[in-house]
Amino acid sequence: DIQMTQSPSSLSASVGDRVTITCRASQSISRYLNWFQQKAGKAPNVLIYGASTLQSGVPSRFSGSGSGTDFTLTISSLQPEDFATYYCQQSYSTPRTFGQGTKVEI
Amino acid sequence: EVQLVESGGGLVQPGGSLRLSCAASGFTFNNHYMTWVRQAPGKGLEWVANINRDGSEKNYVDSVKGRFTVSRDNAKNSLYLQMNSLRDEDTAVYYCARDGGSRRVDYWGQGSLVTVSS
Repeated sequence: DIQMTQSPSSLSASVGDRVTITCRASQSISRYLNWFQQKAGKAPNVLIYGASTLQSGVPSRFSGSGSGTDFTLTISSLQPEDFATYYCQQSYSTPRTFGQGTKVEI
Repeated sequence: EVQLVESGGGLVQPGGSLRLSCAASGFTFNNHYMTWVRQAPGKGLEWVANINRDGSEKNYVDSVKGRFTVSRDNAKNSLYLQMNSLRDEDTAVYYCARDGGSRRVDYWGQGSLVTVSS
């Protein structure tokens, strides 16, 4: 199985900050990488798929980059509604493993 | 509007069985792969299984192979997860989700809590 490792596990930031979360795969996954946001008690929502394609309806302050084994999710200017937990997921092969999550706190 | 509604969760003893259902509406169900994802209390997301459009191809995470079975009834727009030989570590909220193409899940249900405990 492909292992996905996110860093950091948590971070503290302020409104307006630029935030970067990284995700590393244990083997090359090309660009088969998705990013999800999950708020407490809610189902996740997809933000980015194919490493860099913004899901319809997602604000443009979210962006993704990377290929192979190293990927990045960037929030250009953190907004109050962005405080949540973020997960990467590889969709290169089954089981489609998730990273352990990054909690973004105030 | 796409809707996915899970049902069938509850409390079950270790070794017991439970069947989750997911009722889909608002889209052409048989055009989409479907997925089950679970989340143990206070933990991260774990991909459990998926099934292709006609139900002929199924994939599972190792920890549930031989115990869980994913299936679908396209005539009823429904997805199922039959869970047997349940263990304490299967306690989680189980989400039904739609594969929206490009290998990404784009819609999720609200989740159904399964608690395995004596």
